[in-house]
Amino acid sequence: QSALTQPPSASGSPGQSVTISCTGTSSDVGRYNYVSWYQQHPGKAPKLMIYEVTKRPSGVPDRFSGSKSGNTASLTVSGLQAEDEADYFCSSYAGSNYLRIFGGGTKLTVL
Amino acid sequence: QVQLVESGGGVVQPGGSLRLSCAASGFTFSSYGMHWVRQAPGKGLEWAAFIWFDGSKTYYADSVKGRFTISRDNSKNTVHLQMNSLRAEDTAVYYCGKDGSWAFDYWGQGTLVTVSS
Repeated sequence: QSALTQPPSASGSPGQSVTISCTGTSSDVGRYNYVSWYQQHPGKAPKLMIYEVTKRPSGVPDRFSGSKSGNTASLTVSGLQAEDEADYFCSSYAGSNYLRIFGGGTKLTVL
Repeated sequence: QVQLVESGGGVVQPGGSLRLSCAASGFTFSSYGMHWVRQAPGKGLEWAAFIWFDGSKTYYADSVKGRFTISRDNSKNTVHLQMNSLRAEDTAVYYCGKDGSWAFDYWGQGTLVTVSS
């Protein structure tokens, strides 16, 4: 199972919106609505930001939103804030054997 | 609140073994599947293993299959990862993660495993 494809970097100024893509195949992202997104600050554990493509866990600001079209999922961060600067990883359920796959990660820089 | 605390990491020679543990609290441990996810230095996340809530089924990434064994003790709210035949490429921070809504909804702080001679 190949990793999901994410752009290595993304950036935006405070207050702007930025969208990070996550491209898989018809066997993972395209087949299941089980895409999740994680935020990771340097030296810290990942934190769940979005699950089941569009849902936000309690406590995650509504500035974070998720969507999916075909084999590509997206994370949009609106109203960028300095604390949003971090690495973001997508993940998808890929069927048999409870396999999970991750994207390579996107470093988000707030200019 | 949910807490996951990993332990057992360290430096081990190639071909050696190590057993990681993850102590869970703050939720009904016996009702949830648990994962191990690893992250090589400066790299992305890689799912390694998963165990059902009752331990009846286990699943592994191809990269660790046949070498790693995930297990759990629901009486002690603990999940383990037995790692054998370790290789340099197994060097990583190992996180345990709680399974929830088809995602990793809680993570531990991680434990570093270094495979080096």
